[in-house]
Amino acid sequence: DIVMTQSPDSLAVSLGERATINCKSSQTILYRSNNKSCLAWYQQKPRQPPKLLISWASTRASGVPDRFSGSGSGTDFTLTISSLQAEDVAVYYCQQYYNTPRYTFGQGTKLEI
Amino acid sequence: EVQLVESGGGLVQPGGSLRLSCAASGFTFGSFAMNWVRQAPGKGLEWVSGISGSGGSTYYADSVEGRFTISRDNSKNTLFLQMNSLRAEDTAVYYCAKLGTPNWNSPLEYWGQGTLVTVSS
Repeated sequence: DIVMTQSPDSLAVSLGERATINCKSSQTILYRSNNKSCLAWYQQKPRQPPKLLISWASTRASGVPDRFSGSGSGTDFTLTISSLQAEDVAVYYCQQYYNTPRYTFGQGTKLEI
Repeated sequence: EVQLVESGGGLVQPGGSLRLSCAASGFTFGSFAMNWVRQAPGKGLEWVSGISGSGGSTYYADSVEGRFTISRDNSKNTLFLQMNSLRAEDTAVYYCAKLGTPNWNSPLEYWGQGTLVTVSS
């Protein structure tokens, strides 16, 4: 299975500041059919299911604020929140959907104010 | 609007069985593969099982292979997970999740609210 490793495990950022979360896959997850990486980011708030934020490493899901952005390719990926808002406090997970359907997730990054 | 509603969770003794259901609406159910993902208390997300749109192909995580069975009834827009020989480590919230497209190489775009399974004596 592809191992996804996130860093850091937790992060404290001031309101209005930038938050950066990293994700590394144990092998390339480039989908040759569209030349994009099979990498998604999810946000999970307490007592809620995960919510899709980003797919294909950099495509925001419908309704996701543009302060959220994804980047990276190959095996190294980043989720950036450009200006942290109070409602962004959550746990963030990366996930690969290259090795289907044995999807794997990172261990999660807890983001606090 | 896509809706996924899980049911069937509860408290069960080690070695026991439980059947989870996920009622789907708002999309052409039989056109999409479906998945179960679980989350142990205070832990991360773990993919458990997936099934193709027709139901003809099924897949399992090593941790549940041989104990869990995924199935679907496309006439009733319902996904199932039969869980046998349950262990304490199966304690988790179980989510039903739908891919964003009919292609397996797609993110999990929609999630249900989850149902809690507790395995304890």
